[in-house]
Amino acid sequence: EAEVAQSPRYKITEKSQAVAFWCDPISGHATLYWYRQILGQGPELLVQFQDESVVDDSQLPKDRFSAERLKGVDSTLKIQPAELGDSAMYLCASSREVDQPQHFGDGTRLSIL
Amino acid sequence: QQQVKQSPQSLIVQKGGISIINCAYENTAFDYFPWYQQFPGKGPALLIAIRPDVSEKKEGRFTISFNKSAKQFSLHIMDSQPGDSATYFCAARGYNKLIFGAGTRLAVHP
Repeated sequence: EAEVAQSPRYKITEKSQAVAFWCDPISGHATLYWYRQILGQGPELLVQFQDESVVDDSQLPKDRFSAERLKGVDSTLKIQPAELGDSAMYLCASSREVDQPQHFGDGTRLSIL
Repeated sequence: QQQVKQSPQSLIVQKGGISIINCAYENTAFDYFPWYQQFPGKGPALLIAIRPDVSEKKEGRFTISFNKSAKQFSLHIMDSQPGDSATYFCAARGYNKLIFGAGTRLAVHP
């Protein structure tokens, strides 16, 4: 079964540094999502793409976070500068279309020192 | 209005027993209600889902019960097994956006 690929699996970095996460969705999936999951909580949507366009980034802290999906396939989420409160699991999900079930990758565990 | 409230926070069940997790929502615009299962170090995996025009959906040992008038839905795991030990999240979709509950950590003891 096709999976959503994410890398790296773990990232440890210092406060004020830049960090980037990569996601490769299931082939043919037009909709891509980035979520943040704080330990002990449910995932919260950061940004949603339809093909290469952002359709919802209302919860993305745009002063430090950016996301792109230039060719409508894989995507990168960046944080600069990282803050202590950014420590969390960053999950990518994809769906064939916006009203179809979402499938998640195994995430990137980010720890900010 | 956008929240999904999930209970209990944690649940311990004996092997062979029934696990029941409940969720409640406020927004009547929600049109799809999935349940996800998450093991430590893994991403959430879609378990089962229901739409509001159906009151119950069963897949193997997993059943969703949906009460539209009460704005509540629940997951029942029959014949619970130690391998079911995981965190379960309910979610609701509104305006093409999934809102997740806070999760229930289930432990099934042998």
